[in-house]
Order: sequence, then structure tokens, then C-alpha cells
Amino acid sequence: SAVISQKPSRDICQRGTSLTIQCQVDSQVTMMFWYRQQPGQSLTLIATANQGSEATYESGFVIDKFPISRPNLTFSTLTVSNMSPEDSSIYLCSVAQVNTDTQYFGPGTRLTVL
Amino acid sequence: GDSVTQMEGPVTLSEEAFLTINCTYTATGYPSLFWYVQYPGEGLQLLLKATKADDKGSNKGFEATYRKETTSFHLEKGSVQVSDSAVYFCALSPTGGGNKLTFGTGTQLKVEL
Repeated sequence: SAVISQKPSRDICQRGTSLTIQCQVDSQVTMMFWYRQQPGQSLTLIATANQGSEATYESGFVIDKFPISRPNLTFSTLTVSNMSPEDSSIYLCSVAQVNTDTQYFGPGTRLTVL
Repeated sequence: GDSVTQMEGPVTLSEEAFLTINCTYTATGYPSLFWYVQYPGEGLQLLLKATKADDKGSNKGFEATYRKETTSFHLEKGSVQVSDSAVYFCALSPTGGGNKLTFGTGTQLKVEL
């Protein structure tokens, strides 16, 4: 399985600011995803990060709030924009190869918004 | 749409006790089924998977069998350890791949000495 790292591992931010989270994989992968895990909750898919094109967002998530970049097959960023305390969550990236059913997850970024 | 239902936690057990965490699913066709584990302060790790009916996934003493007739994928371990304390998530991927995972709500397991 791929080795996945995320930066930062945690952060405390002020409301109204933005934070960019990085996801780096040690090998080329076709699929990259971003999830949110609110406190005590399960995981919710935010979007699929597509290389060279706009991300595909799930219902309830929009590009203005969660812009995503994927410049190549090993790297993606998620920005949480104009943050509010409700954005306090763990944000996780995951990877998979196309037409396979198994996703592998990064260690997550713990975000607290004051 | 697809859904996964897990037993609510927390589940508290003594060390060496037998563990069962129930998971049932709703999906068309033959989805792939997974158990992920999240240790405190960490991301999710794939624990085991099964891709077709009657398959048994196993890892680190944990087992789960894909039961099509009961749409279930219950997680079991014969003798838990304190180090197994974590949150366990059941998940499914739809028939034919597609990579989109649907997660259950997670079950917290606490193992005490």
C-alpha cells in the first residue's frame, strides 16, 4: 500500500481565515479523495480530486468553501476557506487506483477553529 | 442509496474477552466490504476486506465473513487486548468498483485490564 503524509498534522485557526492542507503520496495513484470527520462522527466525502481538472464535489460541499488542487499524481491540497468553528474537524485524504475497491488513508489533519 | 449500519458503542470489554461488532449493509449487487480501524489521534487503517459472498477477511486476529443472505459483515476477535482499543468503521464500496466508500458511524471499543 502507498505511504501517505499530510501537513499540517494539526492546527488551531481563527475564524474568517483559511488553511491549506497538503496530501503527499510516495507513488503515483489515480484517485485521491478528501474526507471530513466531525467530532465523534463518521467520515463524509467532500470531493474527489481530479488531476488536471476541477474536483468533483459531493452534495453539500462547494468549491468556494473547499477549493482543491491536484497538480500531479502524487500530490493534492484542500483549502478550508473563511473558517468558522463548525469547520473544526479532522480532514483526511485517501488514495486508490482506478477500478480497485480499496482506499488507503493519510494520518489526518486535526483542525480547531476558534 | 447504499448504507452501512453498525452497532452503537462504546463497547467495553475485559482483556482476553471475545469481541463481536455487528455491521449490516444495504446495497445493490455485490459490494466490497471493509473494516477500518482508527487508533486514538491517528488516521484510518485498513483492517480487512472481503469482495464476494462467503469470503472471509482476516488480519491481526480479527475476522469478518461476507454474508450475502443476511447482508452482514460482523467483525470478530477471539481474545482482545488493551492495544485493540480504537474506533472501528465498517464500510462498503459499490459493485464494480467506483472507489466511493460508504461508512458506518463507527464503534468505539475500550479494552480494560
